[in-house]
Amino acid sequence: AQSVTQPDIHITVSEGASLELRCNYSYGATPYLFWYVQSPGQGLQLLLKYFSGDTLVQGIKGFEAEFKRSQSSFNLRKPSVHWSDAAEYFCAVGGGNEKLTFGTGTRLTIIP
Amino acid sequence: ETGVTQTPRHLVMGMTNKKSLKCEQHLGHNAMYWYKQSAKKPLELMFVYSLEERVENNSVPSRFSPECPNSSHLFLHLHTLQPEDSALYLCASSQARRTEAFFGQGTRLTVV
Repeated sequence: AQSVTQPDIHITVSEGASLELRCNYSYGATPYLFWYVQSPGQGLQLLLKYFSGDTLVQGIKGFEAEFKRSQSSFNLRKPSVHWSDAAEYFCAVGGGNEKLTFGTGTRLTIIP
Repeated sequence: ETGVTQTPRHLVMGMTNKKSLKCEQHLGHNAMYWYKQSAKKPLELMFVYSLEERVENNSVPSRFSPECPNSSHLFLHLHTLQPEDSALYLCASSQARRTEAFFGQGTRLTVV
């Protein structure tokens, strides 16, 4: 069965500092991988996705993620965070069918 | 106009009420989903419709009844709910065979 682990429940970062959110997945074949962001009281917005090809993918809002098959990871990064990046971030894995499996999320707090 | 629209945004209902949540997608997708998001729990996939046929029902209690009259609309009919059903209900859509899902803003449901 596919699964996603986001080991950090809550991360606090200073504005302007770099960010890395961790995601590890379990999937029997080549996965499709996603990062979503959710602001309070809102739905999920797709930040970026990996289907195949270049293992470093660029997304919206200055985010990027790197697929590392050997580590079963798909960590999200941003070189310099802004106060507006404060939100909850979800990693998800799928595989060409209709089902996505989500992690439990990482809440990001930005301090001045 | 957003790609996936959910109404209402907020709903308070008594345990004996009957209400319906509505979802409409304007993206030309042919798969639609209902998710439940409760505090401190992973996103729970409730129902999947693909080409207007229900293809997945993840052991959801019968007090939740989905309806997909066409590929653009999805409903979730609610009756005799329990307080533990209070949550954010998210609708999403995607192209069948691809798992990139687009989410609505959700309906915050409170059962009193």
